Amino acid sequence: QVQLEESGPGLVKPAETLSLTCAVSAYSISTGYYWGWIRQPPGKGLESMGSVYHNGRTHYNPSLGSRIIMSVDTSKNQFSLRLNSVTAADTAVYYCVKYSTEPPYNWFDPWGQGALVTVSA
Amino acid sequence: DIQMTQSPSSLSASVGDRVTIACRASQTIGSYLNWYQQKPGKAPKVLIYAASRLQNGVPSRFSGSGSGTDFSLTITGLQPEDFASYYCQQSYSSPRTFGGGTKVEIK
Repeated sequence: QVQLEESGPGLVKPAETLSLTCAVSAYSISTGYYWGWIRQPPGKGLESMGSVYHNGRTHYNPSLGSRIIMSVDTSKNQFSLRLNSVTAADTAVYYCVKYSTEPPYNWFDPWGQGALVTVSA
Repeated sequence: DIQMTQSPSSLSASVGDRVTIACRASQTIGSYLNWYQQKPGKAPKVLIYAASRLQNGVPSRFSGSGSGTDFSLTITGLQPEDFASYYCQQSYSSPRTFGGGTKVEIK
């Protein structure tokens, strides 16, 4: 079964760039599907940040403006998130997800275990 | 963006109870509605997709209903492992949005 695992720094300074990678196992990203990032501030709800297709096509949540970049690396079977100019409000657990589908419907499954990223000097 | 509103935000219930959580969309979304369960310190997992379809491996005590703007998740015969937070999520349009969550606690 498909498994996802996030990796990256757990602490980022304000105004710097948050970078996370999601390694995918038991499925080749180049085959298809959308892949995404969802975050959850401590004690709060869930926010979908955006998605990336295997060909690099992206959809971003407008709430993040121009700060977000998502990409795929099919040679490494992983996808990545970069969030620029971070503030304390970006402190959250970041989950990578796969978009599962039964056309025309889709849902997030599976999820990675989550990576806590704290923005602090 | 489509706003998703869940109610109640929390509830207390006993093992064996029937529990219903409501979710309302700010515009019609057909059956493009998913439900997730999240336990403390864990990633959410999908229970229901397309408003009423049970994800493989999810116990049949979970059921979903509704279409358009009003939806509900029902747990019939609450079990100890069901005490968790539950979120609805629309997949009708981007950005995908979630409800604020419902925490089901032990009475």
